[in-house]
Amino acid sequence: GAGVSQSPSNKVTEKGKDVELRCDPISGHTALYWYRQSLGQGLEFLIYFQGNSAPDKSGLPSDRFSAERTGGSVSTLTIQRTQQEDSAVYLCASSSTPLDGQYFGPGTRLLVL
Amino acid sequence: RKEVEQDPGPFNVPEGATVAFNCTYSNSASQSFFWYRQDCRKEPKLLMSVYSSGNEDGRFTAQLNRASQYISLLIRDSKLSDSATYLCVVNRINKFYFGSGTKLNVKP
Repeated sequence: GAGVSQSPSNKVTEKGKDVELRCDPISGHTALYWYRQSLGQGLEFLIYFQGNSAPDKSGLPSDRFSAERTGGSVSTLTIQRTQQEDSAVYLCASSSTPLDGQYFGPGTRLLVL
Repeated sequence: RKEVEQDPGPFNVPEGATVAFNCTYSNSASQSFFWYRQDCRKEPKLLMSVYSSGNEDGRFTAQLNRASQYISLLIRDSKLSDSATYLCVVNRINKFYFGSGTKLNVKP
């Protein structure tokens, strides 16, 4: 079946611009996660959705970052007034139950000039 | 203290060797456990779940020791294609905690 998809695959933007990153989880997966990974670094947790609600937003680095999920499916991560330190790969993952692990999309590579 | 700790490596082994990775987790309330594999510039992929009874998938064997809060992965008969970073992951209350990964290089 279809896996997790993310768009765009690559995004180059100028400092100060807003960007929107999209994630389509595996159909039927109720949990959705956003992570960030800088080059050569580990995964940094950003936010977690269960259905449309976000029980854990603790990883969002600043108030420039926000995310929403609609219809228990697609999620959008928005970064306002991008900064160069926002450059990273943004990964989305979905899960049906915690016992089954989570499945990742291919990521969006964001470069802020 | 980090939730999950792993030796970053790299582990440099010849083809055909057996190699073992370990990780430790700090919270005894952790509920489920996994090994992921991440290739360079790719997303992490689920390799296998880890159970107290131990589980095997071909050349890969994983083991969980809840008493010691320790997880292991054994790879037998290493292949060049096994070269990757291996991530230890634990789950607690619907949140997944990732180790920083152990890098494996399998040499011809």
